[in-house]
Amino acid sequence: AQSVTQLGSHVSVSEGALVLLRCNYSSSVPPYLFWYVQYPNQGLQLLLKYTTGATLVKGINGFEAEFKKSETSFHLTKPSAHMSDAAEYFCAVSSYNTDKLIFGTGTRLQVFP
Amino acid sequence: EPEVTQTPSHQVTQMGQEVILRCVPISNHLYFYWYRQILGQKVEFLVSFYNNEISEKSEIFDDQFSVERPDGSNFTLKIRSTKLEDSAMYFCASRGEGQLNEKLFFGSGTQLSVL
Repeated sequence: AQSVTQLGSHVSVSEGALVLLRCNYSSSVPPYLFWYVQYPNQGLQLLLKYTTGATLVKGINGFEAEFKKSETSFHLTKPSAHMSDAAEYFCAVSSYNTDKLIFGTGTRLQVFP
Repeated sequence: EPEVTQTPSHQVTQMGQEVILRCVPISNHLYFYWYRQILGQKVEFLVSFYNNEISEKSEIFDDQFSVERPDGSNFTLKIRSTKLEDSAMYFCASRGEGQLNEKLFFGSGTQLSVL
């Protein structure tokens, strides 16, 4: 079975500050891990994904995430927040033998000027 | 970038009524999905669909639910007799040919309210 836990339903940062959104997963098979972002009134968009290979994954809009197997984590970071980063962020897990994504509850990111 | 389109954006219905949620996936995509999110809860997988049949479905997707690709462009989710607990945001998604877990493109959702 697979599951995802996102710590913090709301995160607030100042513009220019570091963004850190936490995601921990549980998986009985090697996981595939994803971050999706949802801007107001839009669908979910893929930010980045990890399947195999390099554990530090870079995505769109300056975001990156690192797969840490020992910590069962896949935290999302961005060095410097921008006002346009305000959105809901979803972590998700899957694996090689399924097409189904298991999502976390999401983290709403607010960016203050 | 191409988009998945969902209509309507918001639907209100009475308990026990049938609803059909409509989606137009990206034109050359072959794999289709429905997910839903009850307010304050996780986004949950409902069903995946390929080659005119269901590939995988969750426990939520019981006999009250059905999916169809009635023509070459639309992908629909039907709830036969809605319950209060069906109130949720329903997301359609699609992807092209390729390995599992290739990028999914999601629509902006239909907010279903069952009264």
